[in-house]
Amino acid sequence: AQSVAQPEDQVNVAEGNPLTVKCTYSVSGNPYLFWYVQYPNRGLQVLLKYITGDNLVKGSYGFEAEFNKSQTSFHLKKPSALVSDSALYFCAVSSRGSNFGNEKLTFGTGTRLTIIP
Amino acid sequence: DTEVTQTPKHLVMGMTNKKSLKCEQHMGHRAMYWYKQKAKKPPELMFVYSYEKLSINESVPSRFSPECPNSSLLNLHLHALQPEDSALYLCASSHPQGRGISTDTQYFGPGTRLTVL
Repeated sequence: AQSVAQPEDQVNVAEGNPLTVKCTYSVSGNPYLFWYVQYPNRGLQVLLKYITGDNLVKGSYGFEAEFNKSQTSFHLKKPSALVSDSALYFCAVSSRGSNFGNEKLTFGTGTRLTIIP
Repeated sequence: DTEVTQTPKHLVMGMTNKKSLKCEQHMGHRAMYWYKQKAKKPPELMFVYSYEKLSINESVPSRFSPECPNSSLLNLHLHALQPEDSALYLCASSHPQGRGISTDTQYFGPGTRLTVL
């Protein structure tokens, strides 16, 4: 079984400061990892994904995430937060080589990011 | 074009009504998904269609009936729902497993906000 943990329900960051949203995962086999963002009353939008290759993944809107296999982590980061970054962020994992592969995506519980002006 | 469209945006129905949710994508994706999302919770997978065939049913009650009439369309037929079925219903699409395509991002629609009275 695969799982994702987002240990923080809420993260508050002052505008202009760096932000980190934490994610750890558990999966058998090699993972596909994703960060999705959800604005109020909207669907999910993919920010970035790790499939293979470089451990540092760059995504949309200046976000990046680092895949750390030994720590089974995939933390989301941004050097300088904007008020418009305020949203609900979900980390998700699927497993290569499983029977359903990418079709069975497991989400974390979500972290609400609030950027304080 | 990475757009998944869903109609209607909002739906209010009584417990005896029959209604349908619709989802459409034109990205050539052959895997399509229905998720249910309660407020402040992650999406929960309901159904997956791969090449227009139902490949995953996550033990969803029979009052929810999916249909995939062609490779671009996905419907969710609703009948005799309960108030606890009120939620945001999200559709997503992606390339399916096992066809030599390495990118597996699921693209989400904006959702249908369903209220059952």
